[in-house]
Amino acid sequence: EDKVVQSPLSLVVHEGDTVTLNCSYEVTNFRSLLWYKQEKKAPTFLFMLTSSGIEKKSGRLSSILDKKELFSILNITATQTGDSAVYLCAGGTSYGKLTFGQGTILTVHP
Amino acid sequence: DAGVTQSPTHLIKTRGQQVTLRCSPKSGHDTVSWYQQALGQGPQFIFQYYEEEERQRGNFPDRFSGHQFPNYSSELNVNALLLGDSALYLCASSPRGVPDTQYFGPGTRLTVL
Repeated sequence: EDKVVQSPLSLVVHEGDTVTLNCSYEVTNFRSLLWYKQEKKAPTFLFMLTSSGIEKKSGRLSSILDKKELFSILNITATQTGDSAVYLCAGGTSYGKLTFGQGTILTVHP
Repeated sequence: DAGVTQSPTHLIKTRGQQVTLRCSPKSGHDTVSWYQQALGQGPQFIFQYYEEEERQRGNFPDRFSGHQFPNYSSELNVNALLLGDSALYLCASSPRGVPDTQYFGPGTRLTVL
């Protein structure tokens, strides 16, 4: 059975801190690793990674995939209170099924 | 450009009833996937529709069924509702050829009493 595990499950930091969120996966017919941010309802797309070792960046967020170790990390630098959310990681197959982890709850205090 | 839309926003039903949830994909997308998200958990894959057919299905009972229309919109039907069906139901759409590139709608919050 496909499995995605995220750690830590929750994290409390202060504005300006840097955080690293972890995601390990075991997904049959794996094609992609996706990161989403979920604040109220709709998970918002952040990154999709398909190649190992290539970092993707968007502003203060960056992510990288290690297909040998079946692992991905999401980094957020200079955190802001608006970064407070649940961050979801998902393994995607070539047929389009996404298997999600439980999520990491990030709380950023002023 | 409208994103993925879902209706209704909230729904309250009683055990044993049936419910239909609706989803309109993002413009240019032809594949629709449905997920169930229980409180404090990540979304769980229910099924995916492409070309008006169910292409894949997760570990959900036959009480969960769906449909995709020629305009790519989709419905999720749940029969004989159980208390455990209370959850946020998310719809995601993806463009042709990349079914794992999924953009989510705001979801429908279903409460079963």
